[in-house]
Amino acid sequence: DQQVKQNSPSLSVQEGRISILNCDYTNSMFDYFLWYKKYPAEGPTFLISISSIKDKNEDGRFTVFLNKSAKHLSLHIVPSQPGDSAVYFCAASLQGAQKLVFGQGTRLTINP
Amino acid sequence: ETGVTQTPRHLVMGMTNKKSLKCEQHLGHNAMYWYKQSAKKPLELMFVYSLEERVENNSVPSRFSPECPNSSHLFLHLHTLQPEDSALYLCASSHGFSGPGQGYEQYFGPGTRLTVT
Repeated sequence: DQQVKQNSPSLSVQEGRISILNCDYTNSMFDYFLWYKKYPAEGPTFLISISSIKDKNEDGRFTVFLNKSAKHLSLHIVPSQPGDSAVYFCAASLQGAQKLVFGQGTRLTINP
Repeated sequence: ETGVTQTPRHLVMGMTNKKSLKCEQHLGHNAMYWYKQSAKKPLELMFVYSLEERVENNSVPSRFSPECPNSSHLFLHLHTLQPEDSALYLCASSHGFSGPGQGYEQYFGPGTRLTVT
């Protein structure tokens, strides 16, 4: 049973537009959520996180939104740049637990 | 060296070989992790070490044997692997504590691409 799901395996966005990556989770006890970005032949790089006490966290071009009632989070990238082309993973954890549960990833392609 | 490093980056081994993967973190963290990433699957947590003690073992076969001699180094010893063990093996580290409203941001190494023939 996959507790964290990214239902879109891929997404293509034009440069300069907004990229929206989605993630759903099933465990209502999760209270900390993270987004990672992965380039080929590299390990995942931490991007941004959000605690369940918030519904939005912003860092430059990246904003994460959390909808606890829907058990849904999203990552917005605006404006999208060619260097944003990568695989994006969302992850969730329980407070006090070091275990992260990852989604399958979404491959984002930014077209010039 | 900065961040999390892993060696080797690529490894090809036969089913009867014994080899080890090495991870080193330069971030002052005291928790370290091994993950496996197979094609088209989510990252699977294998082991967690916190303050050099193993705190999680996710039903990993005994042909994988972790070792954490200190908070900066983590090894994964491999023996009699199967072809289905071919995957990208990722090491990560984090702080070993979190406060209210915080969690554990894990920082990953580049991974070792393992092929078992």
